[in-house]
Amino acid sequence: GAGVSQSPRYKVAKRGQDVALRCDPISGHVSLFWYQQALGQGPEFLTYFQNEAQLDKSGLPSDRFFAERPEGSVSTLKIQRTQQEDSAVYLCASSLVWTGMPGELFFGEGSRLTVL
Amino acid sequence: KNEVEQSPQNLTAQEGEFITINCSYSVGISALHWLQQHPGGGIVSLFMLSSGKKKHGRLIATINIQEKHSSLHITASHPRDSAVYICAALIQGAQKLVFGQGTRLTINP
Repeated sequence: GAGVSQSPRYKVAKRGQDVALRCDPISGHVSLFWYQQALGQGPEFLTYFQNEAQLDKSGLPSDRFFAERPEGSVSTLKIQRTQQEDSAVYLCASSLVWTGMPGELFFGEGSRLTVL
Repeated sequence: KNEVEQSPQNLTAQEGEFITINCSYSVGISALHWLQQHPGGGIVSLFMLSSGKKKHGRLIATINIQEKHSSLHITASHPRDSAVYICAALIQGAQKLVFGQGTRLTINP
C-alpha cells in the first residue's frame, strides 16, 4: 500500500508475555518514529530512527522496550514481560526527510495493545 | 507544566460555526504540526508550519514564533469535522515531537 502499515491492529496479551509490533513505513522514507498513546491522552515519543540508526530512544519507558530497524525500512517494537501499564495504542510515523529538517509526517493506524 | 498545551480540551459547536483551537508551547521548535485523529482511526497530518499562515480548504493554521503560539481555525464547520485535533511541536535540533493533549471537537448538525 501507499501508506504506513502497522500490524497487528489489535493485540491482547497476558501479563508477562512478550509482544512484537511491526511498522512498514512508506517506501523511501528515511525517518521513522514510534509513539505511545494511552487512552484519552496525546501521543508520547518513544524512539526515532534515521534509516537503520536509532538516533533517539529517550522516550522508551523501560529496558523492557526495544526497537529495531535493521535494514532501514520495516521496524519492530518489542515489549518484553508486558505489564498492564503497557496497554496503549502504539503509533508509527514516517517522514521523507533527514534529521534536523522538519518534514510532513505520515502516521499508521496504530497497534492497540491490551495487557490483561 | 506540559511543554505543549492546547485549549480548549473539549469544544462543542453547531454546524456552520467558526472554530478556533489554540496551542501554546514553551520550547524552541523548528516546526509545529496540526494533526487530526478520528475515533478508532489513525492520525492525519493537516499542516506543518514554521512561520506565518497556511490554508487548506476550510482549515487555516497560523503560528506566531515570538509568542510561541499557534491556532487552528475551521470555517463553516461540519459534523464530519468532529475529531480530536492535536498540535505537536518538533523540538529544535532534534526529530522529537512533543504532543499536546488534544482538543476533542464535536460539531452538531
